[in-house]
Amino acid sequence: AQSVAQPEDQVNVAEGNPLTVKCTYSVSGNPYLFWYVQYPNRGLQFLLKYITGDNLVKGSYGFEAEFNKSQTSFHLKKPSALVSDSALYFCAVRDGYNFNKFYFGSGTKLNVKP
Amino acid sequence: GAVVSQHPSWVICKSGTSVKIECRSLDFQATTMFWYRQFPKQSLMLMATSNEGSKATYEQGVEKDKFLINHASLTLSTLTVTSAHPEDSSFYICSASGGSSYEQYFGPGTRLTVT
Repeated sequence: AQSVAQPEDQVNVAEGNPLTVKCTYSVSGNPYLFWYVQYPNRGLQFLLKYITGDNLVKGSYGFEAEFNKSQTSFHLKKPSALVSDSALYFCAVRDGYNFNKFYFGSGTKLNVKP
Repeated sequence: GAVVSQHPSWVICKSGTSVKIECRSLDFQATTMFWYRQFPKQSLMLMATSNEGSKATYEQGVEKDKFLINHASLTLSTLTVTSAHPEDSSFYICSASGGSSYEQYFGPGTRLTVT
């Protein structure tokens, strides 16, 4: 079965500290992994993706994510959080066989406090 | 590049009326468009997938006669909520994918409130 899990509903971090938002996946075939951010009453904005190649992927706004095949994880990270990073983050995986199928995690609300 | 727009951004309608939401890919040809529904503080629920010129594929539990989807061109898909009821109130988000891209590009969403 295809699935994406974001085990944390909410992550709280102080501005300037590193942040991690967790994601694990289960999918048939090769995983195509994505992170999106959503601000209130807005659609999803693309942050980064992993298709193949280097396990450490760098994306928009200083975010990066590490693909770990053995742990089936794709955690989102940023070395130094900003208050403006506060938003809802979604991990998604695209089915390796059916490219039309995206599976989204339940979302993690990131709160960055000054 | 890869901009997707939605119109309207918000709409209020009376129970029993129909509402049409448009999704446009502004700078690329979207061979496939997706419609999602998002409840407050929840993830996106895929409603249907549409390919240009063919009938939409609906996810299990989504009423195709209630949520009419048309993808008449490579840049436009529409979602019509027919005979809307208050329980249809939600945030509707479309996305588009084109060519060999592995990505989906999301529209800004439409807030539907049925009174």
